[in-house]
Amino acid sequence: AQSVTQPDIHITVSEGASLELRCNYSYGATPYLFWYVQSPGQGLQLLLKYFSGDTLVQGIKGFEAEFKRSQSSFNLRKPSVHWSDAAEYFCAVGARGYQKVTFGTGTKLQVIP
Amino acid sequence: SQTIHQWPATLVQPVGSPLSLECTVEGTSNPNLYWYRQAAGRGLQLLFYSVGIGQISSEVPQNLSASRPQDRQFILSSKKLLLSDSGFYLCAWSSGTGTSETQYFGPGTRLLVL
Repeated sequence: AQSVTQPDIHITVSEGASLELRCNYSYGATPYLFWYVQSPGQGLQLLLKYFSGDTLVQGIKGFEAEFKRSQSSFNLRKPSVHWSDAAEYFCAVGARGYQKVTFGTGTKLQVIP
Repeated sequence: SQTIHQWPATLVQPVGSPLSLECTVEGTSNPNLYWYRQAAGRGLQLLFYSVGIGQISSEVPQNLSASRPQDRQFILSSKKLLLSDSGFYLCAWSSGTGTSETQYFGPGTRLLVL
């Protein structure tokens, strides 16, 4: 069975600082990995995804994530955070041919001036 | 391009009343469709998913049900709401081709049961 752990429930960063959100997954085969962002009261928006190939994935809004198989991790990064990045971020794991995706419990990001 | 709609956006219902939430997808055929619930301070809980018309898989036993009367329509229902049914309900779709399992989400429905 797949599982996802986001160890940080809440993170606060200053505007302009760098950001790294952690995600660890458990899956026996090659996973499909996703990061989504959710603003308050909104649906989830896909930031980026990894299926195969280059382990450094670029997404929208200046985000990137790196797949590290040896560490079972898929951490999300942004070099300089903007106030509009304040939201909740969800990591998810799926697999080829598998209809379901397992989501982590989310990390809420607060950005301070 | 594909779009996904959910309505209503917000709903306040008394305990014991029925429920019907609707989700429709445009711009794609034979999608996989999903219903999730997001309770306050918790992650996403998959409730139902469907790979085709009339095909519903239930993930969590509860007093909710789902139906897929048309290819791009997914309905979440209840005969009698409970207080614990309050939450944010999200519908999602994926292409269903087996080559891309990326899920795309609708705007959600906020349900408050009083």
